[in-house]
Amino acid sequence: EPEVTQTPSHQVTQMGQEVILRCVPISNHLYFYWYRQILGQKVEFLVSFYNNEISEKSEIFDDQFSVERPDGSNFTLKIRSTKLEDSAMYFCASSADTSGRSTDTQYFGPGTRLTVL
Amino acid sequence: DQQVKQNSPSLSVQEGRISILNCDYTNSMFDYFLWYKKYPAEGPTFLISISSIKDKNEDGRFTVFLNKSAKHLSLHIVPSQPGDSAVYFCAANPSSNHKLTFGKGTLLTVNP
Repeated sequence: EPEVTQTPSHQVTQMGQEVILRCVPISNHLYFYWYRQILGQKVEFLVSFYNNEISEKSEIFDDQFSVERPDGSNFTLKIRSTKLEDSAMYFCASSADTSGRSTDTQYFGPGTRLTVL
Repeated sequence: DQQVKQNSPSLSVQEGRISILNCDYTNSMFDYFLWYKKYPAEGPTFLISISSIKDKNEDGRFTVFLNKSAKHLSLHIVPSQPGDSAVYFCAANPSSNHKLTFGKGTLLTVNP
């Protein structure tokens, strides 16, 4: 069964450093997402990406964040200058958008645990 | 921001019995509702969904009920199995976008 994969599973970085989190969405999916979950809190939407551009983003997704689909398979989240409060689980997801509406199920990867020291 | 609420942080049931997990929402624009299951150190795994035009959707042991007037949905698992023990998240999005809003989750423990 196809699945979303993410690397690395755990990333430790120093405050102020740049990190890139990587995801390989399900191959025939068209919509890609990043969510995060700070320890003890809800899973929160960050950004959605379709047709090589951001389609929606939350207020969390400020200028320190960027996303890219550098090739036909990878989808990345970059944090330019990490802060302590960026420590969280980051989940990538993808959906097929076969219906043309927002009712395609989002399938999640296993997550990357980011620890900012 | 409490647009999706799961008021029970935990639920414990005996193997073979029914588990009922509840979820309330406040945003009347929500059009599509999903339940995800999550084990520690893993990502959310899709379980079942329902669109606002339906009031029930069934898939094997899992049934989701939607009461639009009450802005309430529930997930029924019957019979419950020890392997069902996990955190269950309710999530929703409007038809206008793909932004899922999650509840805080309910930890289900199924005792053998």
